[in-house]
Amino acid sequence: GQNIDQPTEMTATEGAIVQINCTYQTSGFNGLFWYQQHAGEAPTFLSYNVLDGLEEKGRFSSFLSRSKGYSYLLLKELQMKDSASYLCAVAFTGGGNKLTFGTGTQLKVEL
Amino acid sequence: DSGVTQTPKHLITATGQRVTLRCSPRSGDLSVYWYQQSLDQGLQFLIQYYNGEERAKGNILERFSAQQFPDLHSELNLSSLELGDSALYFCASSVAAGGRDTQYFGPGTRLTVL
Repeated sequence: GQNIDQPTEMTATEGAIVQINCTYQTSGFNGLFWYQQHAGEAPTFLSYNVLDGLEEKGRFSSFLSRSKGYSYLLLKELQMKDSASYLCAVAFTGGGNKLTFGTGTQLKVEL
Repeated sequence: DSGVTQTPKHLITATGQRVTLRCSPRSGDLSVYWYQQSLDQGLQFLIQYYNGEERAKGNILERFSAQQFPDLHSELNLSSLELGDSALYFCASSVAAGGRDTQYFGPGTRLTVL
């Protein structure tokens, strides 16, 4: 199968930095997406990586290493509203454009 | 607001029944995707359509079917419903059908089967 692994839960303090890791099987890799999802709501797009390196977007950055099958999402200057589930999703070749999602990392931001 | 619309927002029905979920993609998007999200399984890909044609299929049950119409809206039909079909059903859309096209999700339909 095409397993996507990420931690189930993380807790961090308001104003701090948190890194959420994601690992995946490298065979057929065709791009990696990060989404944010608040409970009961739609996933919202955060970032996309297809080449190695860091992509920065304001308080959010995402890193990819294709050879290691590894990505992380970095959230800086955490705010209470960042408490949500963060979903790592991978597109693999040969499957149209379907995304395979990890089960999500539930981030709790505390005061 | 992603620009993807889904109706209805909530649906409550009984086992054995049939329901239809509707999705309108963002303006200009040709691909539509359906995903199921249940508490114990996360987001699972069901099916993708591109410009009216089926493009990819996931673990979609035979009781489920979908189509994309000439105006590009899509419908997901769920029949012979079982308790285990209770879930959030999301539709997403993208400009094309490549693996590098970002998918934008609609607000979802919460299906409850009693």
